[in-house]
Amino acid sequence: DIQMTQSPSTLSASVGDRVIITCRASQSISSWLAWYQQKPGKAPKLLIYKASNLQSGVPSRFSGSASGTEFTLTISSLQTDDFATYYCQHYSTSSPWTFGQGTKVEIK
Amino acid sequence: QVQLVESGGGLVKPGGSLRLSCAASGFTFTDYYMSWIRQTPGKGLEWLSSISDSGSIFYADSVKGRFAIYRDNAKNSLYLQMNSLRAEDTAVYYCARYNVYQGAYFDCWGQGTLVTVSS
Repeated sequence: DIQMTQSPSTLSASVGDRVIITCRASQSISSWLAWYQQKPGKAPKLLIYKASNLQSGVPSRFSGSASGTEFTLTISSLQTDDFATYYCQHYSTSSPWTFGQGTKVEIK
Repeated sequence: QVQLVESGGGLVKPGGSLRLSCAASGFTFTDYYMSWIRQTPGKGLEWLSSISDSGSIFYADSVKGRFAIYRDNAKNSLYLQMNSLRAEDTAVYYCARYNVYQGAYFDCWGQGTLVTVSS
């Protein structure tokens, strides 16, 4: 199975900061990667698909990029509503599709 | 609006069974593959199973042989029959959809239903 490794596990930041979260795949997944945001007690919400495509309705301060097997989620200017946990997920080839372990963005 | 609503979670003893349901509304159910995903504090998010509109099924190794996914397109409903439950199956269970032509990313999730396996 393809393993997804996210870093950091926890990130402390302030409103207005630029935040970068990294996800590394254990083998090539092309651009078949999605990012989700999850708030406590809620289901994950799709932010980005195919590594860099913004889901409809998601603010443009969120962006995604890819370089080989390393993927990044960037929040250009962190807002209060963005404090949450973020997960990556690969969906290359066939199942099983796996998620990263999550990155919690906390208030500094 | 697009909505998925799970039900059927609860407390069950080890070795017991439970059936989860997911009611879909606001979209054409047969346009989507449907999936079950669970979340635990220890293992995070884990994809469990998916089913196509026509009934092709995929399972994670962790639940193969114990869990069964099925759907009723006439009722816009998805189900997960869980047998031989173990303590490690304790989790919040989500149903989610994906469009197979765009890829298996999940653009809509239910609110989740908690399953607790304990004696």
